[in-house]
Amino acid sequence: NAGVTQTPKFQVLKTGQSMTLQCAQDMNHEYMSWYRQDPGMGLRLIHYSVGAGITDQGEVPNGYNVSRSTTEDFPLRLLSAAPSQTSVYFCASSYFGNEQFFGPGTRLTVL
Amino acid sequence: KQEVTQIPAALSVPEGENLVLNCSFTDSAIYNLQWFRQDPGKGLTSLLLIQSSQREQTSGRLNASLDKSSGRSTLYIAASQPGDSATYLCAVKGDGGSQGNLIFGKGTKLSVKP
Repeated sequence: NAGVTQTPKFQVLKTGQSMTLQCAQDMNHEYMSWYRQDPGMGLRLIHYSVGAGITDQGEVPNGYNVSRSTTEDFPLRLLSAAPSQTSVYFCASSYFGNEQFFGPGTRLTVL
Repeated sequence: KQEVTQIPAALSVPEGENLVLNCSFTDSAIYNLQWFRQDPGKGLTSLLLIQSSQREQTSGRLNASLDKSSGRSTLYIAASQPGDSATYLCAVKGDGGSQGNLIFGKGTKLSVKP
């Protein structure tokens, strides 16, 4: 199993540009989520999904969109990037109530 | 609102020492608690998962305990090695509402000196 994979590893955007961070898992996990990690703030939940077709907001959802068309994939979209979205983004997945597995992260810089 | 605190924020010990990392949480209605390790510039690696009905879990030199009623967990590392140097994160999953969402502490940065 590849586990949780994320692409790209690094990305630099200009303010106002859009992009999609990709996340995929091959463990048939129902639950997937996106976190951002910022110095001094820790990890904060952006959006999560409890299954294909079902998504919900986390603690810091503004500026981000998600969709879940398959069990395996959970992309995170930035429609109009802002410098405040400079961060490291982690995707995670699990069976409900069980151990969560994290991807290697995407380091995003918005200029 | 659940809050997770990890003390100390940083810890430096000589190689071979046994050490304890602390995690506290404000709402005892948790489903489970998970300890992670994060190396600089890397993702999170799961170390131990303790379900709310359990008191402790062990993996190799690591032992995690959970006291739900007092809102505390500890991660014990025996015979520390330089390779244990990393940031250790504690996260709790709530017992209702938002399914599998984790609430994280800000971590303890451990440095083990040779």
